[in-house]
Amino acid sequence: NAGVTQTPKFQVLKTGQSMTLQCAQDMNHNSMYWYRQDPGMGLRLIYYSASEGTTDKGEVPNGYNVSRLNKREFSLRLESAAPSQTSVYFCASSEYGDGNQPQHFGDGTRLSIL
Amino acid sequence: ILNVEQSPQSLHVQEGDSTNFTCSFPSSNFYALHWYRWETAKSPEALFVMTLNGDEKKKGRISATLNTKEGYSYLYIKGSQPEDSATYLCAGSSNTGKLIFGQGTTLQVKP
Repeated sequence: NAGVTQTPKFQVLKTGQSMTLQCAQDMNHNSMYWYRQDPGMGLRLIYYSASEGTTDKGEVPNGYNVSRLNKREFSLRLESAAPSQTSVYFCASSEYGDGNQPQHFGDGTRLSIL
Repeated sequence: ILNVEQSPQSLHVQEGDSTNFTCSFPSSNFYALHWYRWETAKSPEALFVMTLNGDEKKKGRISATLNTKEGYSYLYIKGSQPEDSATYLCAGSSNTGKLIFGQGTTLQVKP
């Protein structure tokens, strides 16, 4: 079972370049999430999509955009990458977005911005 | 906005020891408390989701309790094994589904 699949796994960008991180889930989940994980800090929510067709900001949305392309796919875009966006990015999904459903995580995308 | 704190930050125990760690959160605006296990080079894996005061959940040698009135949850591991070595994350949620994660407790179990 694939679960939550993220691509790419690694990427190096130069400051100012743009990039889209892809996420797809095959569990028929309604809700999807993007987090970033930095040393010494917990996972922080960037954006989430409670259901197909909706997106909302999380704790740290600045510098990012998202698209819920369909029920399976939720992409994260960096329009003009900055060194402060060097991080490990995790996509997650849950059956519903009501807060009492466990989230299922992808393997992460390690992004370095020079 | 929830502020979730975990202690200790790291823990080293011997194989066979039982251990526990704490997650604290503001008792107001609480909706659910999640525990995740995160092994190195893998992705976080859900252990428990708890919503009711006094709730206790168990999975094998791992169990968790929840006190929503005083704003804390304990995770217990009985008879720790080297394969229990991981970072244990807790997260609080509101009913919008947003999770606020603590920084995690990293457990190392020595054979």
